[in-house]
Amino acid sequence: GNSVTQMEGPVTLSEEAFLTINCTYTATGYPSLFWYVQYPGEGLQLLLKATKADDKGSNKGFEATYRKETTSFHLEKGSVQVSDSAVYFCASKGSNYQLIWGAGTKLIIKP
Amino acid sequence: GAGVSQSPSNKVTEKGKDVELRCDPISGHTALYWYRQSLGQGLEFLIYFQGNSAPDKSGLPSDRFSAERTGGSVSTLTIQRTQQEDSAVYLCASSLAGGATNEKLFFGSGTQLSVL
Repeated sequence: GNSVTQMEGPVTLSEEAFLTINCTYTATGYPSLFWYVQYPGEGLQLLLKATKADDKGSNKGFEATYRKETTSFHLEKGSVQVSDSAVYFCASKGSNYQLIWGAGTKLIIKP
Repeated sequence: GAGVSQSPSNKVTEKGKDVELRCDPISGHTALYWYRQSLGQGLEFLIYFQGNSAPDKSGLPSDRFSAERTGGSVSTLTIQRTQQEDSAVYLCASSLAGGATNEKLFFGSGTQLSVL
């Protein structure tokens, strides 16, 4: 069946460090791919998405590129801030209603 | 309303009691989802509504869990005879139609349920 695998956390970085959170998926067909973020005490919200191969989603300095050949959608940011501390979820969605979620990666940024 | 609203935000109950959690989705959104998030875990799918009907109830953990949606809007998730393992954050999300591949979900802030 379809699945999403993302790197385990917590990931702890210093401010201004480069961030990568890996995400790979298995799916039939060509799903859309998403990164959702959950800031402390807040609800989940969409961070970025990509709907087809080679698309790059970007928002708030974060980027992720839909790589069909490696079935990946890794999240990157060039210089993280303390305010980026949150839990990040990778997800895929096919043509039906169901989202397939990764387990989430907690990111801790230290000043 | 402007976003997905869930109530209560926190609920503490005694083992064996029934609880009812409410979700008010974004106006006009036909698709509604319930998820459960246990401490440090990912999202566990519970149930999906399209309008008032629930084509997929496969995620409900036991027959103590039930959900309904009325008027294509508000949904309630009911847990009967609560157990300590039911303690979690219950998240509700809605989306415009449900079937589109690139459709975005809008989440509520969740209900933190603690069963003592």
